[in-house]
Amino acid sequence: GENVEQHPSTLSVQEGDSAVIKCTYSDSASNYFPWYKQELGKRPQLIIDIRSNVGEKKDQRIAVTLNKTAKHFSLHITETQPEDSAVYFCADHLRGSTLGRLYFGRGTQLTVWP
Amino acid sequence: DGGITQSPKYLFRKEGQNVTLSCEQNLNHDAMYWYRQDPGQGLRLIYYSQIVNDFQKGDIAEGYSVSREKKESFPLTVTSAQKNPTAFYLCASSSSGTDDSPLHFGNGTRLTVT
Repeated sequence: GENVEQHPSTLSVQEGDSAVIKCTYSDSASNYFPWYKQELGKRPQLIIDIRSNVGEKKDQRIAVTLNKTAKHFSLHITETQPEDSAVYFCADHLRGSTLGRLYFGRGTQLTVWP
Repeated sequence: DGGITQSPKYLFRKEGQNVTLSCEQNLNHDAMYWYRQDPGQGLRLIYYSQIVNDFQKGDIAEGYSVSREKKESFPLTVTSAQKNPTAFYLCASSSSGTDDSPLHFGNGTRLTVT
């Protein structure tokens, strides 16, 4: 089955620095790559997503890049703030399956120090 | 206010008892899902349903059962056959058949079995 690897598992940065989280996937049929943010005790919330026909997408301080040849995608957060502290999950979706049928990485605990 | 409601937020059961987790959505979504979350692990799919009266096993269905008698409701029963039932359970929904509909999560139910 599909396998999504996520690194690092923990990441600590100083406020204002950038943070990068990387994920790799195994199935070439993957066509949709969402990123979720989960604050402690709360629900995961979609923060950005990218489709396989796009190489990069940006939304204010966050961006996602996709390299289909290497089968990896990354989340970039610039000018980090303490409220960015959370667990971030990458996921992918296989073409032909219902959209919510996602395969998740294990998560990255991001801590932003003031 | 549209969304997904999971109840209860916390649930405690003795080993050997079946327990049912509630999930209701008023987003008019066709597809609904149950994911399980354990510390240090990504979300893993238990069961999903694309339409009423139909559902499919996910990656870790053993020891669980579901029903989908109404579009709005997708309850999950954790049976005594589930070896490690203590976990955080997340229900989600999405509009099926389109790439423009992301996954929406409920607030989760934390189940503790002793």
